[in-house]
Amino acid sequence: QKEVEQDPGPLSVPEGAIVSLNCTYSNSAFQYFMWYRQYSRKGPELLMYTYSSGNKEDGRFTAQVDKSSKYISLFIRDSQPSDSATYLCAMSPEGGGNKLTFGTGTQLKVEL
Amino acid sequence: EPEVTQTPSHQVTQMGQEVILRCVPISNHLYFYWYRQILGQKVEFLVSFYNNEISEKSEIFDDQFSVERPDGSNFTLKIRSTKLEDSAMYFCASRELPIGYTFGSGTRLTVV
Repeated sequence: QKEVEQDPGPLSVPEGAIVSLNCTYSNSAFQYFMWYRQYSRKGPELLMYTYSSGNKEDGRFTAQVDKSSKYISLFIRDSQPSDSATYLCAMSPEGGGNKLTFGTGTQLKVEL
Repeated sequence: EPEVTQTPSHQVTQMGQEVILRCVPISNHLYFYWYRQILGQKVEFLVSFYNNEISEKSEIFDDQFSVERPDGSNFTLKIRSTKLEDSAMYFCASRELPIGYTFGSGTRLTVV
């Protein structure tokens, strides 16, 4: 079983749709959960991070973590064409200096 | 907004040659990282660096790789004898606790 699994897509939605992006993981030591956005040939850009279980909202974005199911989600409300990018989930265990383990990324296209 | 700067943006090198990829992390960050992304694959951890020494490295980071912080601002990744399979995007990142990873835009390394 891969440590972090993410549906690669591509996912195509109309403008204004609600988008749901998901990752599952197997390592119970993960405590920090992040979502990154990556445009083609650019570095990952941090969108949101969550510590342990729970929800976090920032504008049109909501991150959810369910540690009991080892499942994390990112919801994008009122999606815009500018949201078209690859979305990467990433995770890290507790403690300073620890590496991020990434999912493969989901390619999202929001169409007019 | 502070950013991580990487140079060059694209490097082409002959197999067997040495390359040095350069990064200027965010000035008050203490943790530094190199990740790589082979085209179409996920972002993979290479090495983390803290307090002027390697704190963790992956199995990818073998003897042909080395990192250095030669002065107070630069952070470099050296690949001693490049192979075709080293062709990838290489991302530098720096971090402030507890999370707050910031990635650079990457150096695209092409080994021919």
